[in-house]
Amino acid sequence: EDQVTQSPEALRLQEGESSSLNCSYTVSGLRGLFWYRQDPGKGPEFLFTLYSAGEEKEKERLKATLTKKESFLHITAPKPEDSATYLCAVRTNRDDKIIFGKGTRLHILP
Amino acid sequence: GAGVSQTPSNKVTEKGKYVELRCDPISGHTALYWYRQSLGQGPEFLIYFQGTGAADDSGLPNDRFFAVRPEGSVSTLKIQRTERGDSAVYLCASSFTGTGVGEQYFGPGTRLTVT
Repeated sequence: EDQVTQSPEALRLQEGESSSLNCSYTVSGLRGLFWYRQDPGKGPEFLFTLYSAGEEKEKERLKATLTKKESFLHITAPKPEDSATYLCAVRTNRDDKIIFGKGTRLHILP
Repeated sequence: GAGVSQTPSNKVTEKGKYVELRCDPISGHTALYWYRQSLGQGPEFLIYFQGTGAADDSGLPNDRFFAVRPEGSVSTLKIQRTERGDSAVYLCASSFTGTGVGEQYFGPGTRLTVT
């Protein structure tokens, strides 16, 4: 069964304290892996798509990386406005579903 | 605005009633998705449209749920004989193409509460 597992469930960091969020996936064939940011009461906001192992993408303080089993979202010197839930999702070669993980709730303390 | 819009933003209904949730995708986006999100969970896939047709409806939980997209733009998610377990935020997303991987753009969601 295709699965996406995110860890940790929640993470509290001081402003400026860099860290990484993990997304482990077990799928029959990966067509793409997505990272989204979700603020309370809003829909997810697209951040990155990664297609193959070794690929990296960056946007401001965020960098996403991909291996054959997992993806990391690295956050460098975070600010309080980076506080949100970060969701990982995958699309497989088998069908058109997109499978989301439960997310990591990130809280950056000023 | 140019984003995905959903109406209503909130819907409270009694158990057993029928509800319709509407999604207006970004103009020109051929792919449209419906998801359901419960508190503390990630979005759960319900159905995917490519144009007017439902390309994958395997996520619909049972036959009380139905969705249409008659002109390939606006979509309506319909829920019959609502149950308390249907309470959740219903999210709609669209993308330029569904045949590739395609980044999705989400609407703000409709919060459905069944009393």
